[in-house]
Amino acid sequence: QKEVEQDPGPLSVPEGAIVSLNCTYSNSAFQYFMWYRQYSRKGPELLMYTYSSGNKEDGRFTAQVDKSSKYISLFIRDSQPSDSATYLCAMSGDAGGTSYGKLTFGQGTILTVHP
Amino acid sequence: DSGVTQTPKHLITATGQRVTLRCSPRSGDLSVYWYQQSLDQGLQFLIQYYNGEERAKGNILERFSAQQFPDLHSELNLSSLELGDSALYFCASSAHDTQYFGPGTRLTVL
Repeated sequence: QKEVEQDPGPLSVPEGAIVSLNCTYSNSAFQYFMWYRQYSRKGPELLMYTYSSGNKEDGRFTAQVDKSSKYISLFIRDSQPSDSATYLCAMSGDAGGTSYGKLTFGQGTILTVHP
Repeated sequence: DSGVTQTPKHLITATGQRVTLRCSPRSGDLSVYWYQQSLDQGLQFLIQYYNGEERAKGNILERFSAQQFPDLHSELNLSSLELGDSALYFCASSAHDTQYFGPGTRLTVL
């Protein structure tokens, strides 16, 4: 069983829809939770970063972490065709600066937003 | 643009060969991470360096090695290459809590 499970999709939605992306995990040591967006053949781009449980909002994006359920979500409001990409959840047990900050990634969800 | 640079963008080589991938972290970042992305395994952590010293290892093969130099750039050396080593290799750097990824090197082993 993988430490981080993510539904690979693919997910196809119309422009303007609310998108919900989710990951579950098994390692209770994870404290830092991230969402990355990856366009085809490009490097992952950091979208959201959350420490421990709670919600965080940034524009059209909202990240939620529920450590009791070991479940994290990313919501995209008013989705746009430019949001079409692969979305990767990532987690670590330590800060990435000086500690052992290796990230454990989900498999990624492929999202297509059609006009 | 994340500020992390990687060269080369593409590399095509034959089985049994050795290649070197290069990464320059964002200005001021002391930590460098290497990841491998393949279709079947997804993004997998390989190794971390902090200010020239190895800090953490993932499932990195013995045929692979890395180092971080005094100017903080890092190199990932892959030797005795096999077909299964074909993948995207990413470098990331961080100063504190978040990692920023470079554009990657696409390695094709024929």
